[in-house]
Amino acid sequence: SQQGEEDPQALSIQEGENATMNCSYKTSINNLQWYRQNSGRGLVHLILIRSNEREKHSGRLRVTLDTSKKSSSLLITASRAADTASYFCATEARTTSNNAGNMLTFGGGTRLMVKP
Amino acid sequence: NAGVTQTPKFQVLKTGQSMTLQCAQDMNHEYMSWYRQDPGMGLRLIHYSVGAGITDQGEVPNGYNVSRSTTEDFPLRLLSAAPSQTSVYFCASSRVRSGNEQFFGPGTRLTVL
Repeated sequence: SQQGEEDPQALSIQEGENATMNCSYKTSINNLQWYRQNSGRGLVHLILIRSNEREKHSGRLRVTLDTSKKSSSLLITASRAADTASYFCATEARTTSNNAGNMLTFGGGTRLMVKP
Repeated sequence: NAGVTQTPKFQVLKTGQSMTLQCAQDMNHEYMSWYRQDPGMGLRLIHYSVGAGITDQGEVPNGYNVSRSTTEDFPLRLLSAAPSQTSVYFCASSRVRSGNEQFFGPGTRLTVL
């Protein structure tokens, strides 16, 4: 079963508008990461937020993390047509296993379409 | 740096055939992993490795085998292909310490008839 669940599953907005995607997860985590996937391509890392952080910014991206609610949100401001992609949250679970490395569990993703 | 490379890009198999998906990285990353992505879904972890000679199972390991003889290479073997293994397969690598981003290959699109 997947750790994270994204909401909404699909989002369509006009260029210039803001896009907000939410992610919920189930277990205690070390960090939560957001990835982007263009159609037919591999995933690209966007931003990482650690469990002791509440908010992080990177360019037009803003990520929040609420560990008490086990949820995160990704905000893309002033969206562009080139932001059209699927966005996935991924959690690195807190584990005592030495062999877990930094194993990630992915959510189902949000498909974002930005109309020019 | 080439990053993470995967071959082949596309493959069609018949039920019962076996094949190996290749994955290589040139970033000297200790951690490598294989995921499958089914239509409209996120990625599910098949197998992973934290270093040469060490492999472990992920969420959906049945029907797949891996080995890690070198730091650079992490091949995924389908022992006897089934239609349920039709999917897009992604290989990823990263530093093994917590909090490191994963770098993904371009994927292999596999169809099993």
